[in-house]
Amino acid sequence: DQQVKQNSPSLSVQEGRISILNCDYTNSMFDYFLWYKKYPAEGPTFLISISSIKDKNEDGRFTVFLNKSAKHLSLHIVPSQPGDSAVYFCAASDTGGGNKLTFGTGTQLKVEL
Amino acid sequence: IAGITQAPTSQILAAGRRMTLRCTQDMRHNAMYWYRQDLGLGLRLIHYSNTAGTTGKGEVPDGYSVSRANTDDFPLTLASAVPSQTSVYFCASSTQVNTEAFFGQGTRLTVV
Repeated sequence: DQQVKQNSPSLSVQEGRISILNCDYTNSMFDYFLWYKKYPAEGPTFLISISSIKDKNEDGRFTVFLNKSAKHLSLHIVPSQPGDSAVYFCAASDTGGGNKLTFGTGTQLKVEL
Repeated sequence: IAGITQAPTSQILAAGRRMTLRCTQDMRHNAMYWYRQDLGLGLRLIHYSNTAGTTGKGEVPDGYSVSRANTDDFPLTLASAVPSQTSVYFCASSTQVNTEAFFGQGTRLTVV
């Protein structure tokens, strides 16, 4: 039972345009959400997070939106750059149960020139 | 440089052999985790430790064991490796709740 789902295995975007990565979750106990970026042969690196008490968090070119009623979050990257090409993982945590993260299956983003 | 160190970087292992993947962090984080990454399945939690001396089972614990004798080290042991344990293994650590986990560079394990 996949509690965190990323239904798009891949996404291709032109440089300078917006990249939108989506994530859905089923566990209503999740109250903290994160996005990680992963390059080949490296460990995942933290990108941005959002608490369930917020609906938006912004950090430079990256913005995460949370829609609790729909159990949906998205990551917007504007403008997209070739260096953004990587696998992006959505993760969620039930902070009342500790800090264990449940990950989605990832979306491969390719930013083309 | 502060962070998480995993060893070995990669390993080919004969089925039935015992193997310990090492993980050390120098950030004095209380919590540590082991994940495996498989194509199409994302990262799945194997075992975790909220603090030294305690461990817990994650989503896919069968065939693996861990120990947490001190804050810095969190080794993962495969008692008798099987081909389905071929994967990339990531160790991670974090501090209090609501902070992000930091990951090591991974160990690529192939069981043949």
